[in-house]
Amino acid sequence: AQKVTQAQTEISVVEKEDVTLDCVYETRDTTYYLFWYKQPPSGELVFLIRRNSFDEQNEISGRYSWNFQKSTSSFNFTITASQVVDSAVYFCALSETSGTYKYIFGTGTRLKVLA
Amino acid sequence: ETGVTQSPTHLIKTRGQQVTLRCSSQSGHNTVSWYQQALGQGPQFIFQYYREEENGRGNFPPRFSGLQFPNYSSELNVNALELDDSALYLCASSLIGRESYGYTFGSGTRLTVV
Repeated sequence: AQKVTQAQTEISVVEKEDVTLDCVYETRDTTYYLFWYKQPPSGELVFLIRRNSFDEQNEISGRYSWNFQKSTSSFNFTITASQVVDSAVYFCALSETSGTYKYIFGTGTRLKVLA
Repeated sequence: ETGVTQSPTHLIKTRGQQVTLRCSSQSGHNTVSWYQQALGQGPQFIFQYYREEENGRGNFPPRFSGLQFPNYSSELNVNALELDDSALYLCASSLIGRESYGYTFGSGTRLTVV
């Protein structure tokens, strides 16, 4: 069965601190996709990144970076020099690679960045 | 290009009633998926529609049903509402064959069943 675990329910940091959000996944598929989405208080899920299972290259986008390690089935997300606007709930998701490509979401990590 | 729009934004219903939620997909997208997000949880897949037919379904009972229209907009219908149906309902659209690149989500409809 496919499963995504985000063990950190809530994290609070002070502005300008770095913070890492953990994501561990389970799947029997050899091909799959992983995503991170941000959910601000308005409710919509905002796409941050997509990674396919064959691409273990880490990625950096501005203050955001992602560390994908198949050996530990982890896809962690780091925000460098956090800002108050980063406060939101962050979801990690695993996607099928056929059919509906439906997402299996983790339970999310609520990040609070304090000024 | 317009994103995914959902209506209404909030809704309060009584247990046993029926509800219809609406979604307009992003321009150019032809699949619509619905997710239920209970408080403090991640979204759970309800079903997906493509070419006006259900294309896949999650672990939800038959009282959850949907429609997709020729303009790719969609409705989610829930009959015989239960208290546990209280949740944020999210609609997501994509272009068939491009789902692996990610879905575009709407802001959701928050349903409260009392």
